[in-house]
Amino acid sequence: GAGVSQSPSNKVTEKGKDVELRCDPISGHTALYWYRQSLGQGLEFLIYFQGNSAPDKSGLPSDRFSAERTGGSVSTLTIQRTQQEDSAVYLCASSLGNGETQYFGPGTRLLVL
Amino acid sequence: AQSVTQPDIHITVSEGASLELRCNYSYGATPYLFWYVQSPGQGLQLLLKYFSGDTLVQGIKGFEAEFKRSQSSFNLRKPSVHWSDAAEYFCAVGDGTGGFKTIFGAGTRLFVKA
Repeated sequence: GAGVSQSPSNKVTEKGKDVELRCDPISGHTALYWYRQSLGQGLEFLIYFQGNSAPDKSGLPSDRFSAERTGGSVSTLTIQRTQQEDSAVYLCASSLGNGETQYFGPGTRLLVL
Repeated sequence: AQSVTQPDIHITVSEGASLELRCNYSYGATPYLFWYVQSPGQGLQLLLKYFSGDTLVQGIKGFEAEFKRSQSSFNLRKPSVHWSDAAEYFCAVGDGTGGFKTIFGAGTRLFVKA
C-alpha cells in the first residue's frame, strides 16, 4: 500500500513569501504529525492531529506557522512571511492512533533565500 | 514536559564490532520509548518501541534496546555491526497520557569502518 506522501519534495522561496506544504497520510491513519528537521539537528515536534480532537499545537515556533487537517486526512502546513531560519526539512508522519508506530513521509526540503 | 538526551553526537565502530547507543529521557510517568533510524537519502524508519512489559525489546535488523527505569535510559544495542548500519539514529519519547506528542533526541550518527 501507499505510504505517507508529501509535496512538494523541494521548495525554494524568497524571504517574506508564504508557503504551503502538503501531507497525505496513510489511509485509515487517524493521527498525523508534523516535525521540522534543521541541518544537523534532531526532529522538532511542531503539531499533532488525532481524529476529531483539537490539535496539539504546542510545538509551533511562532504564529507564522499554522496547520490544518481537512476531513481527517490530508494536512497542510502553512508558513507565512517566511524567514531564512525557516529553512529545514519538514517531515510528516501518520499512525493508526495514540501510541502506534509513526510512518514518516520523505519530507519537504524548504529553502528560504 | 518530556525530553530526550543522546549524549553522543557521533560514534565510529568497526564492522563486526558491537554497538551501544545511549539514550536518556526525562518524563514523569512511564514513557513510550522509540528508536528510529534515518539512512542517507531515506526516510525515518522505526527500529523498535517500548510501551510496557518486558524491558528488553527486540527490533528489526538485529537491534535491541533495554528500558532501565532506575537510570531513565533506553540504550540501543547490536552485537555485530554491518556497514549498512551506518546512519543517524534517533531516540524518542512519547507522552502516553492523552495526546501523543513525541519528542526526539538530537540523534547519533553512526560511522562504520571496514
